[in-house]
Amino acid sequence: KQEVTQIPAALSVPEGENLVLNCSFTDSAIYNLQWFRQDPGKGLTSLLLIQSSQREQTSGRLNASLDKSSGRSTLYIAASQPGDSATYLCAVERSNDYKLSFGAGTTVTVRA
Amino acid sequence: NAGVMQNPRHLVRRRGQEARLRCSPVKGHSHVYWYRQLPEEGLKFMVYLQKENIIDESGMPKERFSAEFPKEGPSILRIQQVVRGDSAAYFCASSPRADSREQYFGPGTRLTVT
Repeated sequence: KQEVTQIPAALSVPEGENLVLNCSFTDSAIYNLQWFRQDPGKGLTSLLLIQSSQREQTSGRLNASLDKSSGRSTLYIAASQPGDSATYLCAVERSNDYKLSFGAGTTVTVRA
Repeated sequence: NAGVMQNPRHLVRRRGQEARLRCSPVKGHSHVYWYRQLPEEGLKFMVYLQKENIIDESGMPKERFSAEFPKEGPSILRIQQVVRGDSAAYFCASSPRADSREQYFGPGTRLTVT
């Protein structure tokens, strides 16, 4: 069974500071890993998807790395803005499976 | 270019009633997944369907819950005789084909059982 853990559970930073969100997973036989953003009472917005053969993906101020052997992924958000305040979810899809296993999320607050 | 549509967005049911949640995948997507997010918990997989077939229902409670994805029309998640513990946000996701497994999520249906 795939267990996904996200640390920290909550994070509060002043505007402009870089954010570092961590995700770890127990089964390294993954197909891909996705980072999502969820705003209160809303659905999930996909931010980045990293295939198992990749080591990182970048989109604008976001960069996600993947170390499959150690079961870790890190999401970096550069120069944070108040609009980045949300819950960030990490989800892993196993190689022999189609279902996503989600972490509990990191709730980020960026103070103006 | 519509994304995944779910309706209703909010649903209130009294204990013992039936809840029907609908999901229209992205146009051209033939794979649908349902997830449930209980209060203060992470999202948990419920069921994976392709057109007219249930591929994996390992996350579905054994009783009262059923899902379908007919040849025509939306995917339906049905919960019979709802109980308070069914109160949650139910999310649907779709993907275009088996070898392109990025899942696109809908806005969710928030079910409240009173």
